[in-house]
Amino acid sequence: QQQVKQSPQSLIVQKGGIPIINCAYENTAFDYFPWYQQFPGKGPALLIAIRPDVSEKKEGRFTISFNKSAKQFSLHIMDSQPGDSATYFCAANRDDKIIFGKGTRLHILP
Amino acid sequence: DTAVSQTPKYLVTQMGNDKSIKCEQNLGHDTMYWYKQDSKKFLKIMFSYNNKELIINETVPNRFSPKSPDKAHLNLHINSLELGDSAVYFCASSQHTGASSSPLHFGNGTRLTVT
Repeated sequence: QQQVKQSPQSLIVQKGGIPIINCAYENTAFDYFPWYQQFPGKGPALLIAIRPDVSEKKEGRFTISFNKSAKQFSLHIMDSQPGDSATYFCAANRDDKIIFGKGTRLHILP
Repeated sequence: DTAVSQTPKYLVTQMGNDKSIKCEQNLGHDTMYWYKQDSKKFLKIMFSYNNKELIINETVPNRFSPKSPDKAHLNLHINSLELGDSAVYFCASSQHTGASSSPLHFGNGTRLTVT
């Protein structure tokens, strides 16, 4: 019940394409769903986050879609660029507990 | 001006040795964490401290001992290092404990290699 399942494990997309990363959770007590972006040699950094009372959140080229009934959420990157190549982690929070997905290695081809 | 800084960046040592990793945050955050990231990039929480008090202690061998001398520092000491301890260790901080919307701020990691 504490798991967050993330897919795919890796993704290769042509520049300008729209990579989509999916996550699913089980525990309905989670109340905050952040995405973290990690570049090689760096720590993860918060990219965008959403609460379950909202179905979509957009910040620049990054959009989270949230489906509360299905207990799923996804990250979409519009007009993807080679600089977006990184590992992306979804996560689910409740109080001081944060559960990370296993990460998606995204590579954007120039 | 680095928000969460950890040292050293790289640590290569032999099995059986004892080593420490230091972490400092200048964000004024209440809570600090240690995470372990293995070769497959899985992020696993090890410990969290709030105002020098241990809050979370996941299933971690007792060879690992965190120490928080003050709110801005959380060090990790590892005794009797084993090959399986090789990983990247990340320190992180967040503003509040118990607030879901308090994002984590990570350091740049310490790559530990045990030979």
